[in-house]
Amino acid sequence: ETGVTQSPTHLIKTRGQQVTLRCSSQSGHNTVSWYQQALGQGPQFIFQYYREEENGRGNFPPRFSGLQFPNYSSELNVNALELDDSALYLCASSFPGSGVNEQYFGPGTRLTVT
Amino acid sequence: QKEVEQNSGPLSVPEGAIASLNCTYSDRVSQSFFWYRQYSGKSPELIMSIYSNGDKEDGRFTAQLNKASQYVSLLIRDSQPSDSATYLCAVRAGANNLFFGTGTRLTVIP
Repeated sequence: ETGVTQSPTHLIKTRGQQVTLRCSSQSGHNTVSWYQQALGQGPQFIFQYYREEENGRGNFPPRFSGLQFPNYSSELNVNALELDDSALYLCASSFPGSGVNEQYFGPGTRLTVT
Repeated sequence: QKEVEQNSGPLSVPEGAIASLNCTYSDRVSQSFFWYRQYSGKSPELIMSIYSNGDKEDGRFTAQLNKASQYVSLLIRDSQPSDSATYLCAVRAGANNLFFGTGTRLTVIP
């Protein structure tokens, strides 16, 4: 167990709807990164939050947005859901001051868009 | 464009053998390298990190890094059926995000 938690575990949404996924980071970690993992692929970086600010973004459209709260927990919001958004959404927490800056993943949220 | 390449497998080894997993990367400024294990239906689990050339050992696992040749490998000694999983190679270059390969599926045959 990494101490990183995510909710919900599974989610089914309809195309065009909006979804919010939540992540609580490991104790002592102030950075949260979000990844999308499609079936049979490696995780792809969506964005990272550090001290409540976006600290880097991957090649995802603006309908993917996020927040980080003072307790370092984070949300991922996706608007106007598309069928291709069906994937495992992973958050990872880390502490950049730790040298190698290892990232530890939560259990993920499986999103299905129909 | 940062690319991380892995053989997708499947790689099959008999129980007790050494499993060798390889990964190449395109960005010469890559700084840190990670191996994650992912069981089917689960999230990735960090098993090794390495950032200096050479070998790093942790139990049955050895990570090898060669920055000049831009490859990193993972050796699993005395492979067990419980090692059967997909192994993801990840690299970090500059920014704090990770770039992942597509993973190599390992099957250890009892």
